[in-house]
Amino acid sequence: KNEVEQSPQNLTAQEGEFITINCSYSVGISALHWLQQHPGGGIVSLFMLSSGKKKHGRLIATINIQEKHSSLHITASHPRDSAVYICAVTGIGKLVFGAGTILRVKS
Amino acid sequence: DAGITQSPRHKVTETGTPVTLRCHQTENHRYMYWYRQDPGHGLRLIHYSYGVKDTDKGEVSDGYSVSRSKTEDFLLTLESATSSQTSVYFCAISELTGAGAYGYTFGSGTRLTVV
Repeated sequence: KNEVEQSPQNLTAQEGEFITINCSYSVGISALHWLQQHPGGGIVSLFMLSSGKKKHGRLIATINIQEKHSSLHITASHPRDSAVYICAVTGIGKLVFGAGTILRVKS
Repeated sequence: DAGITQSPRHKVTETGTPVTLRCHQTENHRYMYWYRQDPGHGLRLIHYSYGVKDTDKGEVSDGYSVSRSKTEDFLLTLESATSSQTSVYFCAISELTGAGAYGYTFGSGTRLTVV
């Protein structure tokens, strides 16, 4: 079993829809990261969370430490949100990555 | 991200030739990492550095070596490139944040093709 599990693996949405991507982890962590990668592009750090909730524009990230679960929400989705979203955690040592969620937002 | 640059961005090389990829940072971060990204495998750690001349192996280090002679530069060398090393390579830097956890910044990636 992977230490970091993401769901869904693939997600297609219509422009304007509310999107949720989930991440569960099985190890103790000091922080959880949400990363974004556009096709053929670099990796951008969206959020780093150790508790609670963070918001940046249309993106919201939440974490429940007790349940070892995090969600990334995108409100009013747009085709430019189409990308791979990667959950990663840091515990003792280095980043452990999830497999990523491929999001496609259709206009 | 302006604080970290990778070079080259794209490279095609022949099997058996040596290749060096460069990661340069202007953030004075202590930790630097090299990852490779492959379909079906996600991001995997090759080597990392926790200071000048201090490096260690990651999970897929065979066939790769690294050097860090200055804080700002972390070099990844493929001593004798093989087709299995065709991949996208990402450098990352990290430092302890005020929140008590390590924040990460990634480079734009180097697409390496070994023919």
